[in-house]
Amino acid sequence: AQSVTQLGSHVSVSEGALVLLRCNYSSSVPPYLFWYVQYPNQGLQLLLKYTTGATLVKGINGFEAEFKKSETSFHLTKPSAHMSDAAEYFCAVSHGNNQGGKLIFGQGTELSVKP
Amino acid sequence: EPEVTQTPSHQVTQMGQEVILRCVPISNHLYFYWYRQILGQKVEFLVSFYNNEISEKSEIFDDQFSVERPDGSNFTLKIRSTKLEDSAMYFCASSVALAGSETQYFGPGTRLLVL
Repeated sequence: AQSVTQLGSHVSVSEGALVLLRCNYSSSVPPYLFWYVQYPNQGLQLLLKYTTGATLVKGINGFEAEFKKSETSFHLTKPSAHMSDAAEYFCAVSHGNNQGGKLIFGQGTELSVKP
Repeated sequence: EPEVTQTPSHQVTQMGQEVILRCVPISNHLYFYWYRQILGQKVEFLVSFYNNEISEKSEIFDDQFSVERPDGSNFTLKIRSTKLEDSAMYFCASSVALAGSETQYFGPGTRLLVL
């Protein structure tokens, strides 16, 4: 069975500091991995995804994530936090066998950015 | 930019009542999903739907739940007899294809409160 663990339900950084949100997954098949962001009172918006190919994936708003199979990780980073990055971030995994679109989510990490 | 819409944004109902949550997926998308998030918990998959049939459903999606595409634009989730534990945020999503690599686009959610 697939699962996702996000380390840290709350992360606080200063504006301009590095953002690192951790995600580890468990999957018996090659996974597809996603990061979604949820701003207050809005739906989940895709930041980036890994399917195949290059393991370093770049997304919107300056975020990127690296798929590390040996570590079963897909951590999200941004070199310099901005106040507008304050939101909840969700890591998710789906089947890598093209037999279903079900997303399995982590519990989410709330990012706050201090001025 | 096309987006998934959901109505109502909030709904309060009495235990035992029927509720229908409505979604309008992105117009050229063929696959539709419902997820829910109980306060403080993970986003959980409920059901996926394609070609007027359920593709996959979770253990949560019992006989009290049903989905329907009543016309060419709407996608609905019905809860026949609501329970207190059905209180949650319900998200609709849609995608072009069912493959695990496809991006699911989420609506803003309906917050359901069962009293």
